[in-house]
Amino acid sequence: DTAVSQTPKYLVTQMGNDKSIKCEQNLGHDTMYWYKQDSKKFLKIMFSYNNKELIINETVPNRFSPKSPDKAHLNLHINSLELGDSAVYFCASSHLETYNEQFFGPGTRLTVL
Amino acid sequence: DAKTTQPTSMDCAEGRAANLPCNHSTISGNEYVYWYRQIHSQGPQYIIHGLKNNETNEMASLIITEDRKSSTLILPHATLRDTAVYYCIVSFTGGTSYGKLTFGQGTILTVHP
Repeated sequence: DTAVSQTPKYLVTQMGNDKSIKCEQNLGHDTMYWYKQDSKKFLKIMFSYNNKELIINETVPNRFSPKSPDKAHLNLHINSLELGDSAVYFCASSHLETYNEQFFGPGTRLTVL
Repeated sequence: DAKTTQPTSMDCAEGRAANLPCNHSTISGNEYVYWYRQIHSQGPQYIIHGLKNNETNEMASLIITEDRKSSTLILPHATLRDTAVYYCIVSFTGGTSYGKLTFGQGTILTVHP
C-alpha cells in the first residue's frame, strides 16, 4: 500500500552511461515532482508535472529529461551521467490545489563512478 | 519566497515537548508557513502549515506570532522516532512558483532517552 514508490532504491553506474529512475504514486494525485538532494543535504526541486504537463523546470542540465506517461507516473531519465550527478533523487506528488502538501517517495541513491 | 532562519540543532528529552523556532521576518501577506521533517534515509514528510492562525493536527502544533515574523513548531510529547531534520518553509500559494518548495538547512532535532 506504498503511497509514492521509486525504483531502484540504489543505482551505481559508470560515467557516461544513461539511466532511468521510475516513480509511481497511488494517491490519486495530479501533480508530481522530482527533487535532488546533494551530499551537503540540500534538497532542490528539479521538475514538476501536472496531468502529464511540465509546470516547473528549474535550471537543470538538459541531460535530465522527465517523462510522464500518465498522471500516476513520473520517470527521470539521465543521459551521459557525470560524477556531479551523484545524489539522492526524491519523487513527490500532491493535488494541484494543495501543491505545497507533498508526499515524498523513499528516494533513489545514485552513485556515478 | 521569504527566507527562513532556523537553529542548526536542538536536543529534547523523550516525553517532553519539543519547540522548534523559525524566523521569517520578510514573510509577505499571502505566504504560508509550512513544516516538513526528514528522518534519516527517508523522504521528507509534510507536518503542518498555517497562514496566521495557530494550527494543530495529530502530529504537531504550529504557533505563528501575530506579526507573522516567526513561528514555532511544537511536538507535544517527543519520542525517539521524532529525531529528524525539521524544515520551516515559507511559500506562496499561487503564481508560477506553486509546488516549488525551497528547503533550507533545517534544524536537526535529536530526542534523547
